[in-house]
Amino acid sequence: AQSVAQPEDQVNVAEGNPLTVKCTYSVSGNPYLFWYVQYPNRGLQFLLKYITGDNLVKGSYGFEAEFNKSQTSFHLKKPSALVSDSALYFCAVREGSGTYKYIFGTGTRLKVLA
Amino acid sequence: DGGITQSPKYLFRKEGQNVTLSCEQNLNHDAMYWYRQDPGQGLRLIYYSQIVNDFQKGDIAEGYSVSREKKESFPLTVTSAQKNPTAFYLCASSMRGSGANYEQYFGPGTRLTVT
Repeated sequence: AQSVAQPEDQVNVAEGNPLTVKCTYSVSGNPYLFWYVQYPNRGLQFLLKYITGDNLVKGSYGFEAEFNKSQTSFHLKKPSALVSDSALYFCAVREGSGTYKYIFGTGTRLKVLA
Repeated sequence: DGGITQSPKYLFRKEGQNVTLSCEQNLNHDAMYWYRQDPGQGLRLIYYSQIVNDFQKGDIAEGYSVSREKKESFPLTVTSAQKNPTAFYLCASSMRGSGANYEQYFGPGTRLTVT
């Protein structure tokens, strides 16, 4: 069965420092991987996705993610964190192109300290 | 929050009453979804629909019902059989087909409180 794990409930980072939010996945076929961000009492906003091709994916607001097939990981990164990046981040996986069902991780709260 | 609207933003109901949450999209997406979000549990899939007049149960469908009579609309009814309905409900849509644009677009959510 498909699954997504976000091992950290919260990540704290100082403003200006690099940040990483971790995600690992388990699917039986080729994974389609996504990152979303959620601000309080709002819907989720799409950040970036990996479908195929280059393992380093660049997305919105300076975020990027690295797909690692051997480690079944898709960690979200940003070289220099901003206080405004503080939010709840979700990793999601969709298995292949024949299904329209997505599995979400439990979310990681990112707190960027000024 | 893209071209998806959810109404109302806040909804209060008494226990034992059915309530319907609205979700409308103007993105011409075939697939639509309903999720429930509770603190510390992430998003859990309630129902999803790939095309009009067709829908599938997600992981927590008990106590919920949906309809998909129009491409643009996917209302969710929370019935009195749902034991713990107080939650934040999110509607989403996505394209389907062989293209690469598989990300979901989310509405702003409806916070339902049942007392």
